[in-house]
Amino acid sequence: EVQLVESGGGLVQPGESLRLSCSGSGFSFSSYTIHWVRQAPGKGLEFVSAIKSDGGATYYADSVEGRFTISRDNSKNTLYLQMTSLRPEDTAVYYCVKDSFLMDVWGQGTTVTVSS
Amino acid sequence: DVVMTQSPLSLPVTLGQPASISCRSSQSLVYSDGNTYLNWFQQRPGQSPRRLIYKVSSRDSGVPDRFSGSGSGTDFTLKISRVEAEDVGVYYCMQGTHWPRTFGQGTKVEIK
Repeated sequence: EVQLVESGGGLVQPGESLRLSCSGSGFSFSSYTIHWVRQAPGKGLEFVSAIKSDGGATYYADSVEGRFTISRDNSKNTLYLQMTSLRPEDTAVYYCVKDSFLMDVWGQGTTVTVSS
Repeated sequence: DVVMTQSPLSLPVTLGQPASISCRSSQSLVYSDGNTYLNWFQQRPGQSPRRLIYKVSSRDSGVPDRFSGSGSGTDFTLKISRVEAEDVGVYYCMQGTHWPRTFGQGTKVEIK
């Protein structure tokens, strides 16, 4: 079964950091671009970041550029999102999503809450 | 960024009746490989998004055939031929042609 499982979410204070992980299984993880997409409470879906299959190219939303860093370890079938200088507006469910063009597989999401 | 505009944003439907959602993009979604990467997702309450339709009109495995997608260029439509209770949720279009990938605002389908 093709699966993505996110972890690492939690409650943090503004200005703090957090690292999310996404573990893939059931497919050739190293062959696909993987995305982070988030959804704030009661809101729609928002692209956050993406990384090409070999890690050679990365993309970021303007709202997180300079604060978030995406990376991957294909030997561990794992994607990461290092988030620094977190703001209340970063509060959301964060999903990892397989494939850049087709977004065919989504994880169950991990919740990040930024609040004092 | 490519702006995806959905309408309507709220769609009350009677069970068994058809429903239609429009999605317009601010730029053509035809990619250099000739494909048009316009996808539709369903998000039921409390669940992750699930893809229904990819590349405008291809239905995912397990998706009922009452769902269909159509369109070209910048103008796309998702149709439900006869709405069932399990179709309640929010529907999003998304373009996978341009960076960054962008989503429509979402259309909430509810039963009258």
